[in-house]
Amino acid sequence: DIVLTQTPHSLSVAPGQPASISCKSSQSLLHRDGKTYLHWFLQKPGQSPLLIISEVSSRLSGVPDRLSGSGSGTDFTLKNSRVEAEDGGIYYCMQTLHLPFTFGQGTKLEIK
Amino acid sequence: EVQLVESGGGLVKPGGSLRLSCTASGFTFTNAWMSWVRQAPGKGLEWVGRIKSRYDGGTTDYAAPVRGRFSLSRDDSKKTMSLQMNSLKTEDTGIYYCVRGEFSGYDWGDYWGHGTLVTVSS
Repeated sequence: DIVLTQTPHSLSVAPGQPASISCKSSQSLLHRDGKTYLHWFLQKPGQSPLLIISEVSSRLSGVPDRLSGSGSGTDFTLKNSRVEAEDGGIYYCMQTLHLPFTFGQGTKLEIK
Repeated sequence: EVQLVESGGGLVKPGGSLRLSCTASGFTFTNAWMSWVRQAPGKGLEWVGRIKSRYDGGTTDYAAPVRGRFSLSRDDSKKTMSLQMNSLKTEDTGIYYCVRGEFSGYDWGDYWGHGTLVTVSS
């Protein structure tokens, strides 16, 4: 199985400050079709996960542009250029290249 | 508007069975591959399994912890996917989410249901 390792496990950031989450995969997530099947979800307390970034860097409609995804192969990063109160929650990376699909263990973002 | 509504959760004893359903609306369910993802209390997300569209064979795939105990099916006429869970274990406890998976032109996981709670306890 592909293992996704997220760091840090948690972070506390003041509003207006940047934040960054790393997701490292045990195998390359690059498919022969040229796409990389690594996605990011945000889960707020009591809510279902929400897809925010698809295929490494494609922001979903309505996701603020202060959030961005980057990376390739096995190393990926989710960056928030200016954290706001609404950004708090648990962020998960997920791969859908190989079965079984797997998630990272999650990174909890606390807004100070 | 796309909606996924899960039902069927509840309390069941270890070794028992439960059948979850997911009813879809707002998109062409027939063409979508559908998945279940679960979340144990206070824990992270775990993919459970998926069922392909009938056009793509309607085949199923499962995570190792549930393979042989859980079974996916779909009824496209009712826009419904079902998860039959047998030989339930305490570690199967959690919220089960229905997720729209592979669907041409759209992103995996772009729609999730609100989830249904399964509690396996004596």
